[in-house]
Amino acid sequence: AAGVIQSPRHLIKEKRETATLKCYPIPRHDTVYWYQQGPGQDPQFLISFYEKMQSDKGSIPDRFSAQQFSDYHSELNMSSLELGDSALYFCASSPWSRGDGHEQYFGPGTRLTVT
Amino acid sequence: GEDVEQSLFLSVREGDSSVINCTYTDSSSTYLYWYKQEPGAGLQLLTYIFSNMDMKQDQRLTVLLNKKDKHLSLRIADTQTGDSAIYFCAESNGYNKLIFGAGTRLAVHP
Repeated sequence: AAGVIQSPRHLIKEKRETATLKCYPIPRHDTVYWYQQGPGQDPQFLISFYEKMQSDKGSIPDRFSAQQFSDYHSELNMSSLELGDSALYFCASSPWSRGDGHEQYFGPGTRLTVT
Repeated sequence: GEDVEQSLFLSVREGDSSVINCTYTDSSSTYLYWYKQEPGAGLQLLTYIFSNMDMKQDQRLTVLLNKKDKHLSLRIADTQTGDSAIYFCAESNGYNKLIFGAGTRLAVHP
């Protein structure tokens, strides 16, 4: 079965640079969520989109922005990167408009290292 | 506020049952989930339970929910070495963000 695709899988950036993470949800899933997992920590919710509109916002820094496109893929843009942004970034998708829409399926993550 | 707590470590012998516990504080939680994370990998949805249920069984997995005490547990029968991973408890009010616990590292030894 198709899964959530994230690219790139690994990314190394320097401080103050920018990064763009991409997420391709499972086909026919209309909702995308972004989470950040620091080393040895639990995933923390950043932001979510339903039908290309922001549906919820968590502890996402102002330096980060995200959007969902007409084909439902999503991009997380991160600017002025800081060492503390080094983490695993997960995208999850769910079929909100279906009965099982509460089930979030996670991608493999993008490991961002800021040096 | 929203808070999910788990014990951090559990060690079991291969073939025994494992029980991972979780407590949550948000009484409006509609769904409670168990996710599995292997080293360097993503989060795999194992199972979930709706808040009006008290038990759900899925092959080797049994989820028990005590809504009064806000206590959730995951029992893995006949634990195998391939079950070694971090298990996250998570809650949500339906279609929104997941709130995760800190994760329980399960180690299975021969």
